[in-house]
Amino acid sequence: EDKVVQSPLSLVVHEGDTVTLNCSYEVTNFRSLLWYKQEKKAPTFLFMLTSSGIEKKSGRLSSILDKKELFSILNITATQTGDSAVYLCAVGAYLNTGNQFYFGTGTSLTVIP
Amino acid sequence: NAGVTQTPKFRVLKTGQSMTLLCAQDMNHEYMYWYRQDPGMGLRLIHYSVGEGTTAKGEVPDGYNVSRLKKQNFLLGLESAAPSQTSVYFCASSAGTLEQYFGPGTRLTVT
Repeated sequence: EDKVVQSPLSLVVHEGDTVTLNCSYEVTNFRSLLWYKQEKKAPTFLFMLTSSGIEKKSGRLSSILDKKELFSILNITATQTGDSAVYLCAVGAYLNTGNQFYFGTGTSLTVIP
Repeated sequence: NAGVTQTPKFRVLKTGQSMTLLCAQDMNHEYMYWYRQDPGMGLRLIHYSVGEGTTAKGEVPDGYNVSRLKKQNFLLGLESAAPSQTSVYFCASSAGTLEQYFGPGTRLTVT
């Protein structure tokens, strides 16, 4: 059974801390791994990873994929209260019926001033 | 360029009633998806479509039907609503396994 597991389920940190969010997966016909940020509305795209070992960065956020060990991490440095959100990991796979995405349950991050 | 839009934004149904949720995208994406999101469950795929006139079942398809008569629209139908279908419904579109663009969501309550 295909699955995506995120850890921790929730995290509370103080402003300025660095956090690491984890995503492990068991998905056949893996094509891509995506990270989304969800505040109290629709998920918004952060990163897409397809190759192992290549770090993607956007400001204080970065992510890397390990296709051998089947996991990805999302790092946020110098956290701010605006980083408070649920972070979703999704894996894209190709099936006979077309492309499909499998989502983890998310990590809820709360940043305290 | 509106991206992905969903109507309605909110709806309350009584058990047994039917309704249709409409999703529209203007990005010429081939793939469209319907998800439901429940507390502690993450996003679960209901149905998806890989192109006009095609649909496929996702993880939780029971109690729902879909149609993709036009490339830009993807409809989700509930024939006989049940309280277990109370959820937030998100539509998304993508160009293959590239990033998905999500609509703003529909909050549905079935009493």
